[in-house]
Amino acid sequence: EDQVTQSPEALRLQEGESSSLNCSYTVSGLRGLFWYRQDPGKGPEFLFTLYSAGEEKEKERLKATLTKKESFLHITAPKPEDSATYLCAVQAGGNAGNMLTFGGGTRLMVKP
Amino acid sequence: DSGVTQTPKHLITATGQRVTLRCSPRSGDLSVYWYQQSLDQGLQFLIQYYNGEERAKGNILERFSAQQFPDLHSELNLSSLELGDSALYFCASSVDWGNSGANVLTFGAGSRLTVL
Repeated sequence: EDQVTQSPEALRLQEGESSSLNCSYTVSGLRGLFWYRQDPGKGPEFLFTLYSAGEEKEKERLKATLTKKESFLHITAPKPEDSATYLCAVQAGGNAGNMLTFGGGTRLMVKP
Repeated sequence: DSGVTQTPKHLITATGQRVTLRCSPRSGDLSVYWYQQSLDQGLQFLIQYYNGEERAKGNILERFSAQQFPDLHSELNLSSLELGDSALYFCASSVDWGNSGANVLTFGAGSRLTVL
């Protein structure tokens, strides 16, 4: 069974204070690892897909990296508008359909 | 606007009742997915349809059912509702190129169901 664990559950940062969110996963044949951002009461918004260990992707203040067992979302000099819940998910290969298995999320709060 | 349309946005009903949630996928997307998000459970996969056929099933209760119509919109039917069914229900869609390559799921804004 595919499993995704995210830590910490919640993270409070001061504006400009860089940090990293962790996503540990076990999956039978990784097709892709996904990061989404979710604002309260809204649907998850796609950020990145990573396909293989060693891959990195960047978008503004966010950088996602992938190893064979975990992924990190690095947030550099965050701003209050980066406050949201960040979700990690895996998509398995084979004939399991293309659904995503999500972790519990990290709730990020950035104070000015 | 993600291009995935869900209605209604909010729904309040009583225990024992039945409701239908509707989802229109992004133009060109063939797969529709339903997820349930409650405070203590996170995002849980319910069911996937691809071009009208059931493709994958998750932890969907027997009281819940879904279908995808020829125009690719989908409906999730929830019956004999219980207090614990109160949650956000999300629909997502993807192009779904089969088993080659990862497919990005695009989510709708969700339907918030409150069972009293």
